[in-house]
Amino acid sequence: AQSVTQLGSHVSVSEGALVLLRCNYSSSVPPYLFWYVQYPNQGLQLLLKYTTGATLVKGINGFEAEFKKSETSFHLTKPSAHMSDAAEYFCAVKFGNEKLTFGTGTRLTIIP
Amino acid sequence: DTGVSQDPRHKITKRGQNVTFRCDPISEHNRLYWYRQTLGQGPEFLTYFQNEAQLEKSRLLSDRFSAERPKGSFSTLEIQRTEQGDSAMYLCASSPLMGTGELFFGEGSRLTVL
Repeated sequence: AQSVTQLGSHVSVSEGALVLLRCNYSSSVPPYLFWYVQYPNQGLQLLLKYTTGATLVKGINGFEAEFKKSETSFHLTKPSAHMSDAAEYFCAVKFGNEKLTFGTGTRLTIIP
Repeated sequence: DTGVSQDPRHKITKRGQNVTFRCDPISEHNRLYWYRQTLGQGPEFLTYFQNEAQLEKSRLLSDRFSAERPKGSFSTLEIQRTEQGDSAMYLCASSPLMGTGELFFGEGSRLTVL
């Protein structure tokens, strides 16, 4: 079955430290991959996406993600965390013509 | 382009009452989606429309739920005889017919059933 898994429901990093949020998918066909961010009581905002082409994708707010087909992963990174990065992050995948399927989310906390 | 708008943003109701949420998608988007999000979970697909046609419904959408998109513009999601388990954030999203699958989300409508 096709699925998406986010490892770690909560991640805490110090301000200025590296942010790494993990996402793995299970699929027999290459999916489209997305990372969304959600601030409290708000909708979801697209951070970045991978469809085709370059496997390292840059998004808004200094985030980037790398599609690794051999590892079926699409981990989200940011070199230096900022207090404003505290939010819930969702990995999402689209398999073929199927609907967008979301992971369970990772809550990112930034320690001053 | 004003983005996807949802109304109301918050709704508190008593168990057994009916509620209706409205979603206005981005005007040129043919596809409209409803998702439900409970605390600590990712959004779960409920249903989607392409223009006015409802093309897919999730098993999560019990017979108390109904969604419409008359004339292929705005959409409504109605929940009849609400239950406490219906308490959640209801998210609407839209997308163009041809695209990479990216969804554009509204701010959501939070339902609390007492």
